Amino acid sequence: GAGVSQSPSNKVTEKGKDVELRCDPISGHTALYWYRQSLGQGLEFLIYFQGNSAPDKSGLPSDRFSAERTGGSVSTLTIQRTQQEDSAVYLCASSLAVEGEAFFGQGTRLTVV
Amino acid sequence: AQSVTQPDIHITVSEGASLELRCNYSYGATPYLFWYVQSPGQGLQLLLKYFSGDTLVQGIKGFEAEFKRSQSSFNLRKPSVHWSDAAEYFCAVVSWDTGGFKTIFGAGTRLFVKA
Repeated sequence: GAGVSQSPSNKVTEKGKDVELRCDPISGHTALYWYRQSLGQGLEFLIYFQGNSAPDKSGLPSDRFSAERTGGSVSTLTIQRTQQEDSAVYLCASSLAVEGEAFFGQGTRLTVV
Repeated sequence: AQSVTQPDIHITVSEGASLELRCNYSYGATPYLFWYVQSPGQGLQLLLKYFSGDTLVQGIKGFEAEFKRSQSSFNLRKPSVHWSDAAEYFCAVVSWDTGGFKTIFGAGTRLFVKA
């Protein structure tokens, strides 16, 4: 597509429920990143994919968080048993492997009530 | 490990005054360096980037940044700030990681502009 697409744009969920956030990167971009941005905070790195593999999962806050990428394209970030502290904007970005400029989606605003 | 430091969490400048936002990085080789801006309610937008060559790079909206290898810095500057420049600014470095390139962001600097 023309840009990075994330869905849903907004998600309100009850504490304890599981949520799935989707990212559709720019076609041909092999690197894909997930970040979290809490209100008034900077970008918190979550996970990075190169193709379908995730060489760096160091930013995932807990084992409730997982992500996968299939076909070198779409990625899904899953949060199990959501907690109120998971409320944030989740940003996805993609880049070409070599050039490195990251293109961001508009984010998914997750609210856990 | 590679890292990016933005020492100032927030900065306030008067409209029309000059601006400098600091960024320091830790990386063994020559990095690819970027500045992004996030305006209120907006997504992140690339301001400028440095790959190689001239160490002073020009970006959009009148911004420029200078790469100084000796100081491991890539500070962002603007000669005269406009109220619309109020936003969050992120410095980023692209480094080589296992299996590919990885973008690392600083924590960001929030710019406030006063009349």
